[in-house]
Amino acid sequence: DTEVTQTPKHLVMGMTNKKSLKCEQHMGHRAMYWYKQKAKKPPELMFVYSYEKLSINESVPSRFSPECPNSSLLNLHLHALQPEDSALYLCASSQDGERDTQYFGPGTRLTVL
Amino acid sequence: AQSVTQLGSHVSVSEGALVLLRCNYSSSVPPYLFWYVQYPNQGLQLLLKYTSAATLVKGINGFEAEFKKSETSFHLTKPSAHMSDAAEYFCAVSHTNQAGTALIFGKGTTLSVSS
Repeated sequence: DTEVTQTPKHLVMGMTNKKSLKCEQHMGHRAMYWYKQKAKKPPELMFVYSYEKLSINESVPSRFSPECPNSSLLNLHLHALQPEDSALYLCASSQDGERDTQYFGPGTRLTVL
Repeated sequence: AQSVTQLGSHVSVSEGALVLLRCNYSSSVPPYLFWYVQYPNQGLQLLLKYTSAATLVKGINGFEAEFKKSETSFHLTKPSAHMSDAAEYFCAVSHTNQAGTALIFGKGTTLSVSS
């Protein structure tokens, strides 16, 4: 099974709301990733967790807060977002080597009003 | 720093025609290269990857790519396009440093297939 699941599929939130995105994989992968993708653009890396520790933060604003409760779960907590944060948020996982395939989830379509 | 460049943001072919999507890489070390496909409102799906085993890599859905070191290229091809191949295609290179491993994507190529 090479499935990465993400919930919710769609999310609409106001600028004062707090919400969370969830990602789950059961492939035994040790690395998990959050990407942000705007329309007609490639995915942009936000965060990387390796063995449940944050290893890469691509200078993401603090209104995005990642969390890795265990090796199978990855959350992205959202607070005080801006309309320009509206995008498709993709989660991925891999074995954690540079030759390893990253498997992507279907994404959460976020709209900030 | 490693990077990939996809030549042509939009490629249009007729059904049954050859598909050629271009990707050139820049890397000071042997690269690990990937091609992903993304259908509208979906995540990315791996088509194939090059990890230095064989220069001609076969992937899913009839796609293949050839790693050419002399040309620093990893172009994606398919002999005969289907309507279902219409999608966004991304070439990517894997980059590892002390912090960890990440994919660096090209800007993408939109493939349109007409009947």
